Amino acid sequence: GAGVSQSPSNKVTEKGKDVELRCDPISGHTALYWYRQSLGQGLEFLIYFQGNSAPDKSGLPSDRFSAERTGGSVSTLTIQRTQQEDSAVYLCASSERLVAETQYFGPGTRLLVL
Amino acid sequence: ELKVEQNPLFLSMQEGKNYTIYCNYSTTSDRLYWYRQDPGKSLESLFVLLSNGAVKQEGRLMASLDTKARLSTLHITAAVHDLSATYFCAVTPNAGGTSYGKLTFGQGTILTVHP
Repeated sequence: GAGVSQSPSNKVTEKGKDVELRCDPISGHTALYWYRQSLGQGLEFLIYFQGNSAPDKSGLPSDRFSAERTGGSVSTLTIQRTQQEDSAVYLCASSERLVAETQYFGPGTRLLVL
Repeated sequence: ELKVEQNPLFLSMQEGKNYTIYCNYSTTSDRLYWYRQDPGKSLESLFVLLSNGAVKQEGRLMASLDTKARLSTLHITAAVHDLSATYFCAVTPNAGGTSYGKLTFGQGTILTVHP
């Protein structure tokens, strides 16, 4: 079946602009995760959703970052007033359930903030 | 705070040789994951280890988990060029807190297999 999809695949924006990144999880997967990967910080957890709720927002780097998930499916990660240090690959993953399940990763969105 | 450390970070191997990548983590967990990442690509799941003593094998790769030592190993047997990639281990805390499900990754091991 279809895997996790993300859009856009690449995004170039100017410092100070807002961006929205989208994730479509595997159909039927109740858990959805956002990570980011950068040269300096490696792979970092940002936030996860169980259904539509996000029990742990501790990984969001600042209050400029927010995420939502509606209908237990699509999720959007929004970065407001982007900064150059936000440049990274943003990866979305989903799993069938939260407990002890493999997380399947999408192809990522490469964000470059000029 | 959960910390995950891999070593080595860089591994250059000759084809046909064996080697082991180590993954140490700092807190109680009996759930460990190994992923592979090719350049410019996303993460591909290799193994999920869910209990002490778990061992899984796929082709030339074998992963094991020792939860008492907080150590997982990824053993490569008779390496071939196709195994060249970056390998990550990741750990999630045991159930009971809001961090359950959150993966903390190691730094990654860049593996290059050459003739």
